[in-house]
Amino acid sequence: QKEVEQDPGPLSVPEGAIVSLNCTYSNSAFQYFMWYRQYSRKGPELLMYTYSSGNKEDGRFTAQVDKSSKYISLFIRDSQPSDSATYLCAMIKGGGNKLTFGTGTQLKVEL
Amino acid sequence: DVKVTQSSRYLVKRTGEKVFLECVQDMDHENMFWYRQDPGLGLRLIYFSYDVKMKEKGDIPEGYSVSREKKERFSLILESASTNQTSMYLCASSSTSGSGPDTQYFGPGTRLTVL
Repeated sequence: QKEVEQDPGPLSVPEGAIVSLNCTYSNSAFQYFMWYRQYSRKGPELLMYTYSSGNKEDGRFTAQVDKSSKYISLFIRDSQPSDSATYLCAMIKGGGNKLTFGTGTQLKVEL
Repeated sequence: DVKVTQSSRYLVKRTGEKVFLECVQDMDHENMFWYRQDPGLGLRLIYFSYDVKMKEKGDIPEGYSVSREKKERFSLILESASTNQTSMYLCASSSTSGSGPDTQYFGPGTRLTVL
């Protein structure tokens, strides 16, 4: 079983929709939870990270962590065609610097 | 802006060839990483280095080696390329911060095809 599970999609939504992207994990040692965005033919770039349980908002993006359920989410409000990309969740165990990635969800926002 | 560059965007090699992938970062980061990215498997860590001449194995080091002679440069070496090493290779760097996770900055990737 993989430590981090993520639905690969593809997910196709109309412009303006609210998008929900999710990951589950099995190792309770993970303490930092990140979301990376990867455009086609580019390297991943960090969108945001959260520590422990709770919500964090940055513009149209909200990251949510539920450690009791080992479940993390990224919500995108008012989605735009420029949000079309692959979104990767990633996690770090306490005291470490090695990322464990999900497989990524491919998102397409259509006009 | 942090910049991580990789020597080639696309590379085609023959089975058995020795392959060098180069990565350079310009932000004086201590840590550098090599990943491969495959459909359905995501990013998997091959090797990482937290200092010059230091290296540690990641999750899938078999068939690979690395070299870090200078702080800004981290090389991935395929001693004898095989077809199952056809993949997208991504380099990343980070600085060890006092609080919070070390943010990894990625290069654009090298798509390697081994025939």
